[in-house]
Amino acid sequence: AQSVTQLDSHVSVSEGTPVLLRCNYSSSYSPSLFWYVQHPNKGLQLLLKYTSAATLVKGINGFEAEFKKSETSFHLTKPSAHMSDAAEYFCVVTLYNTDKLIFGTGTRLQVFP
Amino acid sequence: DTAVSQTPKYLVTQMGNDKSIKCEQNLGHDTMYWYKQDSKKFLKIMFSYNNKELIINETVPNRFSPKSPDKAHLNLHINSLELGDSAVYFCASSQPGAGGAHGELFFGEGSRLTVL
Repeated sequence: AQSVTQLDSHVSVSEGTPVLLRCNYSSSYSPSLFWYVQHPNKGLQLLLKYTSAATLVKGINGFEAEFKKSETSFHLTKPSAHMSDAAEYFCVVTLYNTDKLIFGTGTRLQVFP
Repeated sequence: DTAVSQTPKYLVTQMGNDKSIKCEQNLGHDTMYWYKQDSKKFLKIMFSYNNKELIINETVPNRFSPKSPDKAHLNLHINSLELGDSAVYFCASSQPGAGGAHGELFFGEGSRLTVL
């Protein structure tokens, strides 16, 4: 069965420093993987998605993620954090042959000045 | 112009009451969803409709009844509300990607339900 594990519930960084949000997936098939962001009191917004094309995926707001099959990982990175990046981030995998998305438990990113 | 809009944004009610949350999307998508987000931010799908037809119905109590009058609307009615129903409910819509791949979900801003 497909699942995702977000390894950190909270990540704190200083503005201008790199961001790394970790996600591992479990899937018997080639998965589709997504990162969504949720700002306070808002709905979720797609940051980027991997669907078996290029393994390095670029998203909005300077975020990118690399699909590593050997490590079953899909970590989200950004070279330099901005205050506006403070939000909850969700790693998501599709359930094979269905219309379901399986959400990770979320990582709360705090950015300090 | 808001893509996915849901009303009300906040709803406070007593146990045992019946309430509805409405959702509309103007993106022309065929598929709409209801998700529940609990106090720990965990998101779980409740229902999915494709062109007014129910295609996903997770293990949700039958006090929850979705209704889709047309493919642009998916409303959620909840009977006999319980304390455990307190959560944020998100409506979303999507269109399948290339090769049937799961399309991007567009979410509403959520409806925070508090049951007292």
